[in-house]
Amino acid sequence: EAQVTQNPRYLITVTGKKLTVTCSQNMNHEYMSWYRQDPGLGLRQIYYSMNVEVTDKGDVPEGYKVSRKEKRNFPLILESPSPNQTSLYFCASIPSGTSGLSSYNEQFFGPGTRLTVL
Amino acid sequence: GESVGLHLPTLSVQEGDNSIINCAYSNSASDYFIWYKQESGKGPQFIIDIRSNMDKRQGQRVTVLLNKTVKHLSLQIAATQPGDSAVYFCAEKTSNTGKLIFGQGTTLQVKP
Repeated sequence: EAQVTQNPRYLITVTGKKLTVTCSQNMNHEYMSWYRQDPGLGLRQIYYSMNVEVTDKGDVPEGYKVSRKEKRNFPLILESPSPNQTSLYFCASIPSGTSGLSSYNEQFFGPGTRLTVL
Repeated sequence: GESVGLHLPTLSVQEGDNSIINCAYSNSASDYFIWYKQESGKGPQFIIDIRSNMDKRQGQRVTVLLNKTVKHLSLQIAATQPGDSAVYFCAEKTSNTGKLIFGQGTTLQVKP
């Protein structure tokens, strides 16, 4: 089944304890992206990647890191989580690495990771 | 800064009626406008998109209208069904970047 998977789905952690949220897609998509969703603020883009070894900042990259060493995986790393990073996180992918130049805007979203930082 | 917003946080309609969800955007340079649907406990799901050089595009039971003069985008859902109950987001994108900016969302409630 074609899908985007995220792990873990739920995580409660404490301030300063490094964590990684994994994202994997099995559709050979080139473009991948991370978003956070907060009440009243909608979805905000954290980082995106147009292809392997190519990553760029979205609107709210502070406090996050990403890597794209292989096409299928795009982990989100919080080196020192803080309570203001408590949020619902979504990973997404799009088929074409040139999606920014095409009309193909159909992002496939993962199921979400609910993170609480105490 | 750039922003994409929706006019109403909640819209309640009767089953079978048509729904119109509105969105205002501010970035004239955006090339694509996209509508997503998010059901409770799930990730957003693509509905339909429209390129900035178009003013209307139709899909299955949905129509997106774009008015660049007033920077307004709308999603029309025909014969609204209970399964259409969800939060609807508009988003905008420029073709030379991978950035996507979302609006805050409108909750559509369908009354049986």
